[in-house]
Amino acid sequence: NAGVTQTPKFQVLKTGQSMTLQCAQDMNHNSMYWYRQDPGMGLRLIYYSASEGTTDKGEVPNGYNVSRLNKREFSLRLESAAPSQTSVYFCASSPIRTGHNNYGYTFGSGTRLTVV
Amino acid sequence: KNEVEQSPQNLTAQEGEFITINCSYSVGISALHWLQQHPGGGIVSLFMLSSGKKKHGRLIATINIQEKHSSLHITASHPRDSAVYICAGSKETSGSRLTFGEGTQLTVNP
Repeated sequence: NAGVTQTPKFQVLKTGQSMTLQCAQDMNHNSMYWYRQDPGMGLRLIYYSASEGTTDKGEVPNGYNVSRLNKREFSLRLESAAPSQTSVYFCASSPIRTGHNNYGYTFGSGTRLTVV
Repeated sequence: KNEVEQSPQNLTAQEGEFITINCSYSVGISALHWLQQHPGGGIVSLFMLSSGKKKHGRLIATINIQEKHSSLHITASHPRDSAVYICAGSKETSGSRLTFGEGTQLTVNP
């Protein structure tokens, strides 16, 4: 089925460990995003990639790095995890400009990350 | 002030009731998205609109550009509508990046 595939679904890390969250979409979307969701704060943009070969910081990029490996894949890396990075992470994709007659965004199922 | 603000934060209804969730947004936002997040956590895009009204099944979304206000209506609500509903805005100047409201937790009791 077409969509956004995000792995893993759950992860527990110790402070200082590193990990990479993987995301792939098969809808030929140009733009991809990483968001985090925290209670009482809504979804916040970490990094995004408007098109293959480009990445830009969002609202909360500190402590993260990203790679747009190709048009399909956009990974998020935590080099040295901290308890403040405990959150639910969502990958999403969209056409480069959302048109009037489509829903625009497709989200992955989320990764629940706990840093202890 | 947040660029996108929703109300109410929490809403409890009885099955069959008509439900309205409101969203106000700031200058510069050119399109408004409504999303649904189920208890399992997955997020689904319901509507994207920049003018007028859209309908899908029992869901209706409206937007008033002059007042910078959008509403999501659910007719004949059902317990399976229980979810968090999120509005989000996008700007012409920022492509399709979204700025999110905090969400409305809707509970529909049988």
